[in-house]
Amino acid sequence: EAEVAQSPRYKITEKSQAVAFWCDPISGHATLYWYRQILGQGPELLVQFQDESVVDDSQLPKDRFSAERLKGVDSTLKIQPAELGDSAMYLCASSLFGLNNEQFFGPGTRLTVL
Amino acid sequence: GENVEQHPSTLSVQEGDSAVIKCTYSDSASNYFPWYKQELGKRPQLIIDIRSNVGEKKDQRIAVTLNKTAKHFSLHITETQPEDSAVYFCAASIGNNLFFGTGTRLTVIP
Repeated sequence: EAEVAQSPRYKITEKSQAVAFWCDPISGHATLYWYRQILGQGPELLVQFQDESVVDDSQLPKDRFSAERLKGVDSTLKIQPAELGDSAMYLCASSLFGLNNEQFFGPGTRLTVL
Repeated sequence: GENVEQHPSTLSVQEGDSAVIKCTYSDSASNYFPWYKQELGKRPQLIIDIRSNVGEKKDQRIAVTLNKTAKHFSLHITETQPEDSAVYFCAASIGNNLFFGTGTRLTVIP
């Protein structure tokens, strides 16, 4: 069964450093999402792509976060500089079509900022 | 945006008993309501979903009910088993976006 892939699975960094996370959605899924999940809470949407275009990045802290999906397939989420409060699980999800379709989640990248 | 509230935050039941988790949402435009199960250290996985034109949906031991007038929906798990222990998240969708509840940690006691 096809799954969403993410790497790395774990990342430890010091504050003010740059970090990057990678996501490879299920083949053929046009919509890709990046979520942040703080321990004990539900996922919160950071950015949504439809193919290579950003559909919604209203919750993305654009002063330090950036995301791209240049060829409409895999995607990269970057944080520069990282802050202590960025420690969280970063989940990627994809869906066949955006509207009201099941989102399949990747295993996540657990970020710890020291 | 949408505001989804989920209760209870923790729930312990004896194996074989039923478990009920409730969620409310604020935006009447929401029209898709999935439930995700997340085991410790694993990815969230969809277990059941319901759309706004349906009041109830069942899949074996799992059922979801939706009351659009009251803006609430519930997850029902019958004959609980130890492997049902996990964190369960409800969500409500407006357009392409999912808004998640804060999760319910379900523990099934053997």
